[in-house]
Amino acid sequence: DQQVKQNSPSLSVQEGRISILNCDYTNSMFDYFLWYKKYPAEGPTFLISISSIKDKNEDGRFTVFLNKSAKHLSLHIVPSQPGDSAVYFCAAIEGPNQFYFGTGTSLTVIP
Amino acid sequence: DSGVTQTPKHLITATGQRVTLRCSPRSGDLSVYWYQQSLDQGLQFLIHYYNGEERAKGNILERFSAQQFPDLHSELNLSSLELGDSALYFCASSGGEGRRKETQYFGPGTRLLVL
Repeated sequence: DQQVKQNSPSLSVQEGRISILNCDYTNSMFDYFLWYKKYPAEGPTFLISISSIKDKNEDGRFTVFLNKSAKHLSLHIVPSQPGDSAVYFCAAIEGPNQFYFGTGTSLTVIP
Repeated sequence: DSGVTQTPKHLITATGQRVTLRCSPRSGDLSVYWYQQSLDQGLQFLIHYYNGEERAKGNILERFSAQQFPDLHSELNLSSLELGDSALYFCASSGGEGRRKETQYFGPGTRLLVL
């Protein structure tokens, strides 16, 4: 049973525009969320995280929003750049360090 | 470069065989995690070792086993391989014991193909 879901397998965005990647979860015990970015032939790399006590966390061009009532997480990238083209994984943590990952969304930023 | 290394990068083998995947964590990291990513699936947590001791098990099959050695490198052993075991296997490491939330750093993965 997939507790973290990314329902859009792919997304294409023009350079300079906003990219919005979405993630839904089912487990109300999740209290920490992360986004990882993955380039081909590499492992996922940590991008940004948010605790369940917050609803927004910003780091440069990347902002993560958390809507606990809807059990929904989103990652906004503004402005999008061609180097942002990668697969983005949403992850949630239950307890101290039990990670659950989504299936990923492949982002293509068109120059 | 995350500092986590995994060998081999690719592995092709036949059903019924046994393989060993190796992971070296970042310098100083004591925790090693193993994940499996099958086609169209998210990363599935398999097992966590801290300083040589098993700390948590996820959806790991009985045919799979792992260990962490005194030099902190870890090996994932997969036996009686089936076609469905074909996947990307990632190793990740972190500095702590896994008792509190911390970022995990991933290796590049080992792609296993079972024919």
